[in-house]
Amino acid sequence: DVKVTQSSRYLVKRTGEKVFLECVQDMDHENMFWYRQDPGLGLRLIYFSYDVKMKEKGDIPEGYSVSREKKERFSLILESASTNQTSMYLCASSLGGFMGTDTQYFGPGTRLTVL
Amino acid sequence: AQSVTQLDSHVSVSEGTPVLLRCNYSSSYSPSLFWYVQHPNKGLQLLLKYTSAATLVKGINGFEAEFKKSETSFHLTKPSAHMSDAAEYFCVVSPPSPNNNDMRFGAGTRLTVKP
Repeated sequence: DVKVTQSSRYLVKRTGEKVFLECVQDMDHENMFWYRQDPGLGLRLIYFSYDVKMKEKGDIPEGYSVSREKKERFSLILESASTNQTSMYLCASSLGGFMGTDTQYFGPGTRLTVL
Repeated sequence: AQSVTQLDSHVSVSEGTPVLLRCNYSSSYSPSLFWYVQHPNKGLQLLLKYTSAATLVKGINGFEAEFKKSETSFHLTKPSAHMSDAAEYFCVVSPPSPNNNDMRFGAGTRLTVKP
């Protein structure tokens, strides 16, 4: 079974802090994703990576950056956390190359609170 | 462009009765369609997906969905609800993009199952 793990389940940070969220997948997947989940809005894509060191902006990249130095690891960085970034963050991975039919596998999520 | 609308934010059924979760989509291309389930404090898990093969798709845990192009719908059904089905369900539309990075999630439907 594919396993996607996220470094923290719950995180509390202060406004202005730099925050790192880590995600690791163990199935040699090409694609990795960071989503933000808010009630009534579903999931919105923050950033996407299709290869090591490659990244593309999603729908809501402002205030976030990402890093993918190794194939299995994809990090989300909040350069200066703000209260409107309080949310659930979900990481996902997929095999890649299936023209929209690819299944994404999700981690358990990190619930981030910014005070 | 593509989008998905889940017609009910909350559905409540009694155990043993049928489940119907409604989803309409909009897409400029022949899309792939997915249903994911999220149990409390867990990541999303794939229930089933439609990828232009059979229009009636069977998934895990007794769920199925029918792709109806004329109605632009992909409703999720189950003949008999179980207490363990209580969760949030997301309908997802995906165009034929090479990197699967343009999936659109619905806002979610919370299913409650009463004993």
